[in-house]
Amino acid sequence: SAVISQKPSRDICQRGTSLTIQCQVDSQVTMMFWYRQQPGQSLTLIATANQGSEATYESGFVIDKFPISRPNLTFSTLTVSNMSPEDSSIYLCSAERGAGGTEAFFGQGTRLTVV
Amino acid sequence: AQSVAQPEDQVNVAEGNPLTVKCTYSVSGNPYLFWYVQYPNRGLQFLLKYITGDNLVKGSYGFEAEFNKSQTSFHLKKPSALVSDSALYFCAVRDGAGGYNKLIFGAGTRLAVHP
Repeated sequence: SAVISQKPSRDICQRGTSLTIQCQVDSQVTMMFWYRQQPGQSLTLIATANQGSEATYESGFVIDKFPISRPNLTFSTLTVSNMSPEDSSIYLCSAERGAGGTEAFFGQGTRLTVV
Repeated sequence: AQSVAQPEDQVNVAEGNPLTVKCTYSVSGNPYLFWYVQYPNRGLQFLLKYITGDNLVKGSYGFEAEFNKSQTSFHLKKPSALVSDSALYFCAVRDGAGGYNKLIFGAGTRLAVHP
């Protein structure tokens, strides 16, 4: 298994500002992902964080709004830019060791409220 | 395209009774199937997975799931429910064919175990 530390755990932000969420894994992993989840709802994949290259975004998500970094095999950041109340959600970091049959591990999540 | 369905928004069961949380899936190739549990204000925790082999897989906290290829189902079960099992449960599927494919989550089923 892998332990994922995600911070901050929650934040309340003013509209128009940006928030950067950090995700640290306790061991090297091949794949890292960022999800969004409304409380009690399912997960929506935002993007795959690629080490050393630009992230791969899912339909409906763009780099200008959700820039992602992944400088090495254990760390990634997600920035939520120019926030609006619609960005209020839980953001989850996930990691996998590689092959498709391996399970994903998740951070505790960041609960973001935009006011 | 791959998809997963959890037909029940909520499942209610009395403590000590058996529980079943349903999941059906659709993939082009061989399915990789996973169950996760989410407690309030927490990230997702991996319970069990089916990749290949025995159709009955056992996982954490006494949970098990049965892969049924003909019915394209992967229902989660536990012989005797505990109040502490109350949480949100997610089924997820990944298509095992054609290289690495992203994980697709169901809508989630809220399990409520009553004393």
